[in-house]
Amino acid sequence: AQSVAQPEDQVNVAEGNPLTVKCTYSVSGNPYLFWYVQYPNRGLQFLLKYITGDNLVKGSYGFEAEFNKSQTSFHLKKPSALVSDSALYFCAVRDIGYQKVTFGIGTKLQVIP
Amino acid sequence: DAGVIQSPRHEVTEMGQEVTLRCKPISGHDYLFWYRQTMMRGLELLIYFNNNVPIDDSGMPEDRFSAKMPNASFSTLKIQPSEPRDSAVYFCASSRTGPYGYTFGSGTRLTVV
Repeated sequence: AQSVAQPEDQVNVAEGNPLTVKCTYSVSGNPYLFWYVQYPNRGLQFLLKYITGDNLVKGSYGFEAEFNKSQTSFHLKKPSALVSDSALYFCAVRDIGYQKVTFGIGTKLQVIP
Repeated sequence: DAGVIQSPRHEVTEMGQEVTLRCKPISGHDYLFWYRQTMMRGLELLIYFNNNVPIDDSGMPEDRFSAKMPNASFSTLKIQPSEPRDSAVYFCASSRTGPYGYTFGSGTRLTVV
């Protein structure tokens, strides 16, 4: 079985400040991990993924995520938040042996001008 | 590539009517997924196909829902008869075998009155 937890329904951050959106996961094998973003009235857009190798993964729009195997976490980060980053963010996981991805419930990011 | 194409973008129908949602996946992708998104339940996987064959339909809520994939470039999700509680945004996504994420369509917003 595989699962994802996003412990925060909403994260508020001031524009220009660093942001973190938290994610923890559970899989029986080795994980592939993903972050997606959803803007209002749009589909989910792929941000970044961790497959193997370097624990720090860089993605679109200046976002990055750090894979921590011991803590089973994959937190999304950005050094300086923009108002345009305000959206719904989904963490997702799949076991390497399977194609089916499990999504978290999403975290709403609000960047305050 | 035009991405995953869904139609219609919006559908308003009366309770009891049949509704058909359509999806064209990205060429070369061998997996296709149907999701439903609501405020209450978040993102739910309804069914997914591999090489046009249904693999897991355990998320289909009841017999009123059916999905087909007659060829690699087309899939439908049908609800018959529709009910107000089916109102949601329905997303189609496609992927290819391997360490890849999903590409989502823009979704169909279904309102059953």
